[in-house]
Amino acid sequence: GAVVSQHPSRVICKSGTSVKIECRSLDFQATTMFWYRQFPKQSLMLMATSNEGSKATYEQGVEKDKFLINHASLTLSTLTVTSAHPEDSSFYICSATKATGGNQPQHFGDGTRLSIL
Amino acid sequence: RKEVEQDPGPFNVPEGATVAFNCTYSNSASQSFFWYRQDCRKEPKLLMSVYSSGNEDGRFTAQLNRASQYISLLIRDSKLSDSATYLCVVRGYNQGGKLIFGQGTELSVKP
Repeated sequence: GAVVSQHPSRVICKSGTSVKIECRSLDFQATTMFWYRQFPKQSLMLMATSNEGSKATYEQGVEKDKFLINHASLTLSTLTVTSAHPEDSSFYICSATKATGGNQPQHFGDGTRLSIL
Repeated sequence: RKEVEQDPGPFNVPEGATVAFNCTYSNSASQSFFWYRQDCRKEPKLLMSVYSSGNEDGRFTAQLNRASQYISLLIRDSKLSDSATYLCVVRGYNQGGKLIFGQGTELSVKP
C-alpha cells in the first residue's frame, strides 16, 4: 500500500489563488521530504527539500516566497503555491525516505495536478 | 551538460523484444542509482536499485559502470504492460537524499 499520501490530487483554480498541497508519510517519520515539479514531456525537477522543524532548502531558480514550504511535524509537509498563475500549472509530487542516505529509495506521493486558469 | 542524461525516446518495440536503455551521469561522487518507471500522468514508482555488481529482477537487468559513469537497464521479453517512461535516477553522497532525475525514455510495446 501507499506509504506517502498527497492531497489534493487535482486542483483547478483561477489565477491569483493560493493553493496548498499536503504530503504525509503514512507509517513512518520523515525528517526530510522533497518537492518536485514536472512539466509535460519533461522529467521531475527538484524544487526544494523540506526539513522538519527548520527552513526548507530551495533549489536554484525556485522562488521561496512563491512556493512556501512548511514541515511542522514528522509526518506532514505542505507546499503552498502563492498567487498562482497559468505558468505555475504543473504536476507537483512529494517524496520521503524512511531513512537517510545509503541506497534507500524514495517513496512518492500520487502527485497533484495543478491547473491555473 | 545535464547531470543525468538518457537515451532519447520513444522506443517502439514489438511484444517479446529485448530493449536496452542507457544513462550517463556527470557527478563522480554519486553513490546511489535507481531506475524508476512512470506511467502517463502518474507518480514515479521504483523499478529497481542498481548495484555495481549488476542485479536482475525477473525480466529486468540493471548494470552500473562507475568508471564510465554509465547505467543501463535491459528488459527481456517485453510485455504490453511495460509501456511507460523509464527514469534513470542518481543520488549523490551526503546530499541529504536529493535525487537527480534523467529526462526519461519512453517505451511503447506494441502487439
